Order: sequence, then structure tokens, then C-alpha cells
Amino acid sequence: QKEVEQNSGPLSVPEGAIASLNCTYSDRVSQSFFWYRQYSGKSPELIMSIYSNGDKEDGRFTAQLNKASQYVSLLIRDSQPSDSATYLCAAPYGQNFVFGPGTRLSVLP
Amino acid sequence: KAGVTQTPRYLIKTRGQQVTLSCSPISGHRSVSWYQQTPGQGLQFLFEYFSETQRNKGNFPGRFSGRQFSNSRSEMNVSTLELGDSALYLCASMSRDSNNEQFFGPGTRLTVL
Repeated sequence: QKEVEQNSGPLSVPEGAIASLNCTYSDRVSQSFFWYRQYSGKSPELIMSIYSNGDKEDGRFTAQLNKASQYVSLLIRDSQPSDSATYLCAAPYGQNFVFGPGTRLSVLP
Repeated sequence: KAGVTQTPRYLIKTRGQQVTLSCSPISGHRSVSWYQQTPGQGLQFLFEYFSETQRNKGNFPGRFSGRQFSNSRSEMNVSTLELGDSALYLCASMSRDSNNEQFFGPGTRLTVL
């Protein structure tokens, strides 16, 4: 069974802080990982993709991948109330995509 | 470039009826995947179509079916609706050149009464 695990939260951080979201996956074969942001009542929006070990930065977002530990994380710097959403981690397994249950992030003004 | 479009956006049906949902992918994308999202089960993969062929299927009963047309538009059909089919149905398109990046449409909110 291919699994992607996330802490469901809610994760609450004050405005301006760093939010750290974590994801573990069960299949060592996975080569790419994706972070989606989903606002309540909306569809998921792709915010980051990462394919190799290490860090990838895009604006206030940094994705970190450690294939040996089967762990991928998303850091959000200078968190804003507009970042309050559910963050989904996803990994392709063969031709399928498996999504984690999502972590609900709440950024407090 | 226009995004993924889905119609209708909202749908109310009663048990036993059937429903057809439509998805138009991003221009140039030939892969279309369908997902069901519910509060209890999260985002679950239904099936994927590529070049009019079902390439992969998730663990859903045969009441859930789909097809893809030559212009890459896809439809999903659910027959004999059950209360538990109430969910947000999402379509995602992907280009083979985009490193498996999937882009979601706005979804169809189906309510079964």
C-alpha cells in the first residue's frame, strides 16, 4: 500500500513566523513530490514541486527532500494570514498520484 | 493559457440517479485524472485517461466510469448514486513534459439526497 502521511494539524503559527509542514512517504521508488495548497471550498493549487534531494526555494516557500529518510517538508517564511489553508503533500506511484490527508495551517494575526 | 474547466460546478441528485461530469484540460495536456474528495477520506484517485485510453484506475466500484475524447476532454459518470457519493469531484490535467505536475480544475460539488 502506497502511503503518504501528514500531521493533520491544525498547526497554528503567529503572523511573521516560519510554518513547517512535514510529509513522509512509504515508497522509496518515488522520484518527485508536490505540495498543494487548498483553501476552504476551493480546489488544490500546486505551489511547489521537488525532484532531487536538498532544498528548493520559491519566494517565501522552501521545499526540502530527503529521499533516504523518505521525508519531504515545506517551510513557509514570514507566514501571513492569507497562508491559512490546508496543505497537501502528493507523490506519484506509477501512473497514480497519492495524496496525504493534508495539514491545516492557521496563521494568527 | 486557460486553466482546467469543469462543468457543472454544483449538482444535486437523488439516490439511484446517474450523473455525468465534464472536464476540459489545459490546452495541450493529454492526461486527465479524476479524484473524489470527502472530509473523511481526503483526496482519492479515481482514474486517469491519456489519449482516450484509461491508463490507471483507483479502488472504486464499477458504478464510477469515465471516458476521454479525441480533443482530450473527459467525462466521468456515476450510476446508481448513493448518499456516500456526495463529494467534491476534481479533475486534474497533466502534460507529459511537465514532470508530472498536475493542475486541478475548480471541481464539481455533487450532493446526493
